[in-house]
Amino acid sequence: ETGVTQTPRHLVMGMTNKKSLKCEQHLGHNAMYWYKQSAKKPLELMFVYNFKEQTENNSVPSRFSPECPNSSHLFLHLHTLQPEDSALYLCASSQDPTRDTEAFFGQGTRLTVV
Amino acid sequence: QQQVKQSPQSLIVQKGGISIINCAYENTAFDYFPWYQQFPGKGPALLIAIRPDVSEKKEGRFTISFNKSAKQFSLHIMDSQPGDSATYFCAARTSGSARQLTFGSGTQLTVLP
Repeated sequence: ETGVTQTPRHLVMGMTNKKSLKCEQHLGHNAMYWYKQSAKKPLELMFVYNFKEQTENNSVPSRFSPECPNSSHLFLHLHTLQPEDSALYLCASSQDPTRDTEAFFGQGTRLTVV
Repeated sequence: QQQVKQSPQSLIVQKGGISIINCAYENTAFDYFPWYQQFPGKGPALLIAIRPDVSEKKEGRFTISFNKSAKQFSLHIMDSQPGDSATYFCAARTSGSARQLTFGSGTQLTVLP
């Protein structure tokens, strides 16, 4: 285990549903990230939070809404998704995004939009 | 300019053979080049990383070769084992305050017993 826990591991949702992905890190890190992993494509960075403040939003559609209530927890709220949003969503954390510290990834949430 | 190109997309190697995965980049602001290993059902995990001030780094059976002038780097897995079967991602990180990782598209390695 890397110390980064994601729930749920699998999620199937309709296009009109609202759901949330949860990430928790037990490593004392200050930065947390959401990535999208689609088959045969590079991991896409979605959001970066540093000390609970959002520092990056890589042109992610508004149907994805992140929330970081504290340095240990990160949520991704989902609403009115599209089938092309089906992917593995990975959470990661690192000590400090401004330094060369290793990023630790969770196991991901496999999301299927039907 | 942020793209990292990785090849091959998939690789099959016999046990004991050498696995080689290549990556190329354009952005000269990249100053940190990690490789991640991902097993099915798991998130990526850091395998080995290199900075551009060295041309090679070795950790056990895993070696990164770095060619700064060609803007290329590669992962070599010596004496490949079936347990090495996984997806491998190269990545690169820019210097400065926005130290985001840019990932390659991944290589699915299968080592046959």
